[in-house]
Order: sequence, then C-alpha cells, then structure tokens
Amino acid sequence: SQQGEEDPQALSIQEGENATMNCSYKTSINNLQWYRQNSGRGLVHLILIRSNEREKHSGRLRVTLDTSKKSSSLLITASRAADTASYFCATSSGGGADGLTFGKGTHLIIQP
Amino acid sequence: GAGVSQSPRYKVAKRGQDVALRCDPISGHVSLFWYQQALGQGPEFLTYFQNEAQLDKSGLPSDRFFAERPEGSVSTLKIQRTQQEDSAVYLCASSLGTGWANYGYTFGSGTRLTVV
Repeated sequence: SQQGEEDPQALSIQEGENATMNCSYKTSINNLQWYRQNSGRGLVHLILIRSNEREKHSGRLRVTLDTSKKSSSLLITASRAADTASYFCATSSGGGADGLTFGKGTHLIIQP
Repeated sequence: GAGVSQSPRYKVAKRGQDVALRCDPISGHVSLFWYQQALGQGPEFLTYFQNEAQLDKSGLPSDRFFAERPEGSVSTLKIQRTQQEDSAVYLCASSLGTGWANYGYTFGSGTRLTVV
C-alpha cells in the first residue's frame, strides 16, 4: 500500500516559473525523502528531511515538513526544461529493516 | 561500479514462464531493496537485505516471488509461473548504511517486465 499522496497528480508550468508539489502521509515518520524519476529511468534521490527538521534547501530545491499536519512540500525554483519528470515523496518509519513507502507521484512538465 | 546496475533492462515473458532479474548494487553497500512499480504508480516495497540476510520480505505479493543475495552483493529476484499482473518495472536500490536517518537510496534503472 502507498502511504504518501502527492498533489497535484500533474503540473504543467512555463520554464522559469516555480513549481510546488505537496505530499501528505499517514503514519509517524523518521524522515521524508523526495525522489525524481525521468521517463523509463530509475529514481534519483533529491533531498532528505528528518522529522525534527522543518525546512531544508539544496540548490534550487526547498523542502518543508510539517509533522503536525503530516505533510511536506517540494519547491523547485526557476524551473528548467530538464526538470520535467515525475516526483515522489517517500517516508521512512525508522530503523534499518524497513523500506521506504512511496506516494503515487506528481508528473511535472516544464514548457519551454 | 559507479551505480546500481540491473539486468536485463527489458524482459518479455510468456504467462507461466519463470524469470530471474539481477541487481548489482554499489560495491560495499550493505542494504539492498527490491521495489515493484506498476504503470503510473509509485514504487512498492518488496523485500530488503542487509548483507546476505533477508530481513524483510513482507512486500512479496505471493510465494511465486523469491529473492536472494547469497554473498551479500549481487541479488536476484525470481518470479515463478509469471502472471499478467506481474507486469511492472522492478527497481533495485542500495544504501551504504542500515539506518534511514542519514542515507538516501541509490536506485538502478530497473527491469521492465511484460508478461504476455
């Protein structure tokens, strides 16, 4: 079963605009991670935010985490055509033996 | 190697056929995971290895699915008597550590299995 739910399911914006994707989850987490997947390829780890963190930055990426609302957002600033991909949030409940639980993803299209 | 390598890249199997999917993790990575990704969905956890030990196989959908990692490096996911619902991309991921607080996964490009 999939814990996370991203919204929107699909997003189309113009190059240079900012893109925001949201993720909600159901159970307590140890950390939350965002991944990108280009068509027909594997997932690429973008950023990890721990449950005791509220915001994290990496280049053009900004992630927020609100554990009281069980939600996270991923902001991509100054979008580029190469950012076109599917974006997934994934949660970890902690410990070494459990796997990540992924959402269904947001498909982002950047129009040149 | 530099990344997680999976083979074959594509596999077409006739219903009822057995298949074996291979994963070469990054050298030295302790943790290895298998995921199944149906079309338009996010990956779903299948099984987890820490070195050669299979610590969690709760995600395997049926007893037709079997995974092994006998020497703690290469792993094989075997599906017996394939069914059409087994059609999906099978992703392998590895990680240096055993605790998720500090590590992200490195994924392979996956094997796309089509059962006809």
